[in-house]
Amino acid sequence: DARVTQTPRHKVTEMGQEVTMRCQPILGHNTVFWYRQTMMQGLELLAYFRNRAPLDDSGMPKDRFSAEMPDATLATLKIQPSEPRDSAVYFCASGLVWTGDSYEQYFGPGTRLTVT
Amino acid sequence: QKEVEQDPGPLSVPEGAIVSLNCTYSNSAFQYFMWYRQYSRKGPELLMYTYSSGNKEDGRFTAQVDKSSKYISLFIRDSQPSDSATYLCAMSARGNNRLAFGKGNQVVVIP
Repeated sequence: DARVTQTPRHKVTEMGQEVTMRCQPILGHNTVFWYRQTMMQGLELLAYFRNRAPLDDSGMPKDRFSAEMPDATLATLKIQPSEPRDSAVYFCASGLVWTGDSYEQYFGPGTRLTVT
Repeated sequence: QKEVEQDPGPLSVPEGAIVSLNCTYSNSAFQYFMWYRQYSRKGPELLMYTYSSGNKEDGRFTAQVDKSSKYISLFIRDSQPSDSATYLCAMSARGNNRLAFGKGNQVVVIP
């Protein structure tokens, strides 16, 4: 049963600390998305990659957030320095897109981040 | 104005009732319309997908899209306690894999 995995599942940190979240997409998927979910804003797209290349990171605060795909099996989202307003659940999703359009995104279980 | 509007108010219904959920949107380029279901403390999972206007039925679930009104709906017939979850609408434009999500509706089916 192929699934997207995310680590850690929970993270509590103090303001100013660096936070790194990791995602392993489903094997063979070539598109990876990072989302943030809060009660106020709902699910927001932060960034996404196709074949490891960043396609869009316009939803991400550039001064403190960075997203990378060091290889096809690992995507990372880093926050440095973290702030209390970054407290949210961060989801990674993966999908397979070749030609045309693909609507299917498979979500991981999320990382619940609390910044105190 | 957000691209996708979904009234996030919780909805409680008795078991066996019909659940009706809807979203409105402003971007006329949206062609793909989806409903995701999210159980508590889990990631969203794709429930239904519709391309352009029309209806789609899958078991107890029916998705409807009215592009002229920029309005989509999800109906759940014979609702079960296991349907208790948050339902998010999502949509995207052709050639663009970004999904725009609604805020989600929490549904509680009372046995």
